[in-house]
Amino acid sequence: DTEVTQTPKHLVMGMTNKKSLKCEQHMGHRAMYWYKQKAKKPPELMFVYSYEKLSINESVPSRFSPECPNSSLLNLHLHALQPEDSALYLCASSQDLGGVLGHEQYFGPGTRLTVT
Amino acid sequence: AQTVTQSQPEMSVQEAETVTLSCTYDTSESDYYLFWYKQPPSRQMILVIRQEAYKQQNATENRFSVNFQKAAKSFSLKISDSQLGDAAMYFCAYRFTYGGATNKLIFGTGTLLAVQP
Repeated sequence: DTEVTQTPKHLVMGMTNKKSLKCEQHMGHRAMYWYKQKAKKPPELMFVYSYEKLSINESVPSRFSPECPNSSLLNLHLHALQPEDSALYLCASSQDLGGVLGHEQYFGPGTRLTVT
Repeated sequence: AQTVTQSQPEMSVQEAETVTLSCTYDTSESDYYLFWYKQPPSRQMILVIRQEAYKQQNATENRFSVNFQKAAKSFSLKISDSQLGDAAMYFCAYRFTYGGATNKLIFGTGTLLAVQP
């Protein structure tokens, strides 16, 4: 089963709201990722977690706060977002960060976020 | 710095025909991985094919194959017997070694493939 699930599929929030995006995988992967994707653009890496610890933060504004409660779950907490943060947010996972098998990332279907 | 370039923003192919999508990259590393991902309008990124740089043999997955030219830093994707379901945005990606932690992907800008019936 190479499935990464994300909820919700769509989210509309005001600039003063607090919301969370959720990502889950049951493949036993130990690395998980958040990407932001604007329309017709490639995904941009935001965060990487490895063994539930934050490994990479690509200088993302603090209004985005990631959390990895366990090896299967990854959350992205959103607060005081701006309209320009509207995008598709993709979650991905890989077996590990390195090694022969670690490089293949499996993506979820994404959450379409609109900030009003 | 590693970069990935896809010079064809849009391509079109007739159903059952063959199409080749281009990708070039720049790196000083000798060992790396390259990927093609497909993103249909449904938006889920799907891994199509991967190539290990140390392997001379070109990767093949059913109707999808690559032409990997390491010296030229070229990694094109060939889709044979194109089907309507192949219509999607295709991203070429390079796996970047990021300090002590690997597995950061550098994506190209994408090629939007249309399949005409």
